[in-house]
Amino acid sequence: DTGVSQDPRHKITKRGQNVTFRCDPISEHNRLYWYRQTLGQGPEFLTYFQNEAQLEKSRLLSDRFSAERPKGSFSTLEIQRTEQGDSAMYLCASSWTGGSNSPLHFGNGTRLTVT
Amino acid sequence: DAKTTQPNSMESNEEEPVHLPCNHSTISGTDYIHWYRQLPSQGPEYVIHGLTSNVNNRMASLAIAEDRKSSTLILHRATLRDAAVYYCILYNAGNNRKLIWGLGTSLAVNP
Repeated sequence: DTGVSQDPRHKITKRGQNVTFRCDPISEHNRLYWYRQTLGQGPEFLTYFQNEAQLEKSRLLSDRFSAERPKGSFSTLEIQRTEQGDSAMYLCASSWTGGSNSPLHFGNGTRLTVT
Repeated sequence: DAKTTQPNSMESNEEEPVHLPCNHSTISGTDYIHWYRQLPSQGPEYVIHGLTSNVNNRMASLAIAEDRKSSTLILHRATLRDAAVYYCILYNAGNNRKLIWGLGTSLAVNP
């Protein structure tokens, strides 16, 4: 079990720069989620994919955020023109829908710091 | 989306049982109760889930009230490694795919 992996673990960028994060889910999982978490808060839903289709996107997600999952495997999350308020932990999770209510498996996140 | 209510923090002593409560009075008939925990600087980790009946696994037990409006996560013998934030979440793969997370319960374990 290789688990969900995220890259990079940490990213420091200057305000206004673009950043891209990568998530590799568990190979047989068809659902992939992106969450954002700030200190002392629970994870906040951003978006999710079933295979390569992006099925839901949070209304809180601005147009500066975009996510892709080409070929239904790995996923990328891009933030354009970063702002200091984007500083957070970005979490990726995957699950399998073959069984109802299969639990989510999370990666250890990418911590973004915008200076 | 149905919400859950948990105490902000709890404290336990090592090797003693811990009962973490969760209220979910607006739960629907098809919502599963999921528990996750998060250690510092790590992503959340799945602990256990159930629908109506009590559940046991190697990590913990889940006791679900008969009316399903509350549940309790039971750690039978707390260890220092169990110190984490524990989240109780209602999940329905068909209708509530995104999982709404609250603030969870921060569990401290004293040696």
